[in-house]
Amino acid sequence: KNEVEQSPQNLTAQEGEFITINCSYSVGISALHWLQQHPGGGIVSLFMLSSGKKKHGRLIATINIQEKHSSLHITASHPRDSAVYICAVGRRGAQKLVFGQGTRLTINP
Amino acid sequence: GAVVSQHPSRVICKSGTSVKIECRSLDFQATTMFWYRQFPKQSLMLMATSNEGSKATYEQGVEKDKFLINHASLTLSTLTVTSAHPEDSSFYICSANLADRRGSPLHFGNGTRLTVT
Repeated sequence: KNEVEQSPQNLTAQEGEFITINCSYSVGISALHWLQQHPGGGIVSLFMLSSGKKKHGRLIATINIQEKHSSLHITASHPRDSAVYICAVGRRGAQKLVFGQGTRLTINP
Repeated sequence: GAVVSQHPSRVICKSGTSVKIECRSLDFQATTMFWYRQFPKQSLMLMATSNEGSKATYEQGVEKDKFLINHASLTLSTLTVTSAHPEDSSFYICSANLADRRGSPLHFGNGTRLTVT
């Protein structure tokens, strides 16, 4: 079993829908990251979380440390949100990250 | 904001040749950079951790002599794929943490798509 599991692996939705991507992990972490990878390959860091909730524009990320679970939400989704979203955790005491498999999101107009 | 620049973005080379990929932190110092490899429709796989002024730390299964990493300054790490073969064709991407503060926001290069013919 992977240390970081994401669901769903693929998600297709219509423009305007509310999107939720989930991430569960099984190791002790110092922080959890949500990343966005566009078709060209470039990766952007969306959020870094160690507790609670963060919001940036239409994106919201939450984490429950006790349950070892995080969610990424996109409100009023738009075709430009189409990308692969990757959850990555930094293990406690280590610099390197452990990555989830990614969620391929497609928003249709 | 802080930016990581990776060059080249795309390279095609013949089998047996070597290819160098550069990763630069443009407006911050990075004592540690990370090199990843990504196969189509798969997630990132950490290849090695590049440490300024010392030897890189390679992940299990990554050949040190094949993937040479040099981190000679606080703003530059290079990955050289030596004697490239078609199976080395992949997407390579680097990242660095701002000021190497653990848990600080990550910054990624735009990646290098390597095709070995």
